[in-house]
Formats: sequence, C-alpha cells, structure tokens
Amino acid sequence: AQKVTQAQTEISVVEKEDVTLDCVYETRDTTYYLFWYKQPPSGELVFLIRRNSFDEQNEISGRYSWNFQKSTSSFNFTITASQVVDSAVYFCALSGNAGKSTFGDGTTLTVKP
Amino acid sequence: NAGVMQNPRHLVRRRGQEARLRCSPMKGHSHVYWYRQLPEEGLKFMVYLQKENIIDESGMPKERFSAEFPKEGPSILRIQQVVRGDSAAYFCASSEGATNEKLFFGSGTQLSVL
Repeated sequence: AQKVTQAQTEISVVEKEDVTLDCVYETRDTTYYLFWYKQPPSGELVFLIRRNSFDEQNEISGRYSWNFQKSTSSFNFTITASQVVDSAVYFCALSGNAGKSTFGDGTTLTVKP
Repeated sequence: NAGVMQNPRHLVRRRGQEARLRCSPMKGHSHVYWYRQLPEEGLKFMVYLQKENIIDESGMPKERFSAEFPKEGPSILRIQQVVRGDSAAYFCASSEGATNEKLFFGSGTQLSVL
C-alpha cells in the first residue's frame, strides 16, 4: 500500500522568510512518481512538479526548490523569500504501478505581510 | 483549451436524495479520477476511469456510490440516498496518459447534505 505523510498541518511565516514543507512517503513499487500540488483559496489544485524515482537530482524553479532523498523517502519542498500569494494548501502525492495518485493530508501555508 | 470542467460548483441535497456530479476532462484526456476532500482533510482517492471502463474503484464506498465515463459525454459520479456524511468537496482530475502522469484538476463540486 502507498502512503504519503505531511506531518506539518499548518505553517505560518512572515513574508520574505524561507519555508520548507516536508513530505515522507511509503511504497513497495520500485518505480514511482512524486508530485507537489498547490490548492489556493479558489479550490482548484494546480500541478507544481513531478519527479520519478530514478531521478534524485534536486530541482529549482524560481523561488521553488525540491529536495528528493530516496534514502529517507522524502520529497521536501522549499519556498524561498515567501510571498503572500504563496498562501495555500500544498499537497504531496505519490503514484506507482497502480496508476492512481495517493495524496498526503496537505500543509496549509499562511504567509503574513 | 478549456481545462477540466466540473458542474455544478455547489450542490445542495436533502438526506435521501440523489446527487449527480459531472466532469468533462481536458480535451484529449481519456483518464478520469475522482477524489473526495472532507473539511480539514486531504484528498482521498475514490475511482479511476478510462473511457467506458472502471479501472480502479477501490476508494469508492460499495453502496450508494457509482461512477461512469461513457464513450460520449462527461464522467458522472452518482451518490444515491445521500447522508450528511457525504457532504464534502468532490474533485475530478484528468490525465493524458495511463499512469503516473500529472493530473489536471477541476474546481470541484461542493456537496452539502441538509
């Protein structure tokens, strides 16, 4: 069975602070994919990144960066110099052989001005 | 290119009524997924469908819930004899490929059962 754990339920930071959202996963599949999605107050989830299990290279996209460590089964997400518009619920997800994506419970990020 | 379209956006039903939720995937996508989000909780997988086929319904309650994705028309999630516990946001997502593809989500249908 697959499982995704986002231990941080809520995080609150002040604008311009850096913040890291943790994601730990469990799977027996040897090939799998990891995702991050953003759910702003409007409700619609937006895809941020996909990583396959064979690619442990960290990725940076603007203020966003992702740290994939297979040894600790973690796929953490860092926002640098956070902005108010980053306030949202962030979901980590895992997809394996079964095709469907399993989501964590989400981390609510609040960025205060 | 329109995204995933869900309707209605809000649906109010009384206990015992039927709820029908519709989802039109993105153009060119033949894989549809339904998820349920309860207040203060994450997304729980319900069912995965491909055109005219149910691929995985392991997350869907055995009774009162059904889903279809006909050859023509939108995917339908049907909940019969709704109860208060069915109140939630129901999200539909679609993907182009069979597995491990990124999902494109609709805006969701907020079901409220009185």
